[in-house]
Amino acid sequence: VQLVESGGGVVQPGRSLRLSCVGSGFIFGNYGMHWVRQAPGKGPEWVAIIWFDGSKVYYGDSVKGRFTISRDNSKNTVDLQMNSLRVEDSAVYYCVTTSSTFDLWGRGVPVIVSS
Amino acid sequence: IVMTQTPLSLSVTPGQPASISCKSSQSLKDTKGKTFLYWYLQKPGQSPQLLIYEVFNRFSGVPDRFRGSGSGADFTLQISRVEAEDVGVYYCAQSIQLPPTFGGGTRVEIK
Repeated sequence: VQLVESGGGVVQPGRSLRLSCVGSGFIFGNYGMHWVRQAPGKGPEWVAIIWFDGSKVYYGDSVKGRFTISRDNSKNTVDLQMNSLRVEDSAVYYCVTTSSTFDLWGRGVPVIVSS
Repeated sequence: IVMTQTPLSLSVTPGQPASISCKSSQSLKDTKGKTFLYWYLQKPGQSPQLLIYEVFNRFSGVPDRFRGSGSGADFTLQISRVEAEDVGVYYCAQSIQLPPTFGGGTRVEIK
């Protein structure tokens, strides 16, 4: 049972990056999925959520209009398209599903936005 | 919703108790009586993990030395007897309203 993120790296301000997360060992399509980020030395910050069936999405105010969350339940994947990146978007990004009965976090992938 | 945790850090002798406070800027109780307050622990070098959900319910596998309490906008996490494996940063979080928000964290270390 795991979530594995990929796609992180170093990118210049204003550029784009796409993160991907693949789930295994559980029925991926039954769960809402989140992206949560954590800047160095800071607490977690929620970024986005997508409903189990993809019918609804919500974003944090700091990323609204720039980031897009999507999922493909046939491939057990959830993606985060990040556009117009800013220095303050630098963080470790976690793929997460969490509820009272199931809590699973990926190991995270670093995103560094720097010129 | 702003989540405020105190203290920022704790240094605890093994076997001694520890207590962390979390206050939210508004009530986390919905109209059906459910309270959306959670506690997470992030051990060094690891991702956060859920300890307590809905104020006082221990997540699967969480030892009974962890106890959550509180109501409305005022909550507490207590560890009855701290062990070496409890080291890390504890976060409270709310999900009654989007966006979910986390407290700033309380670092627990062993003396």
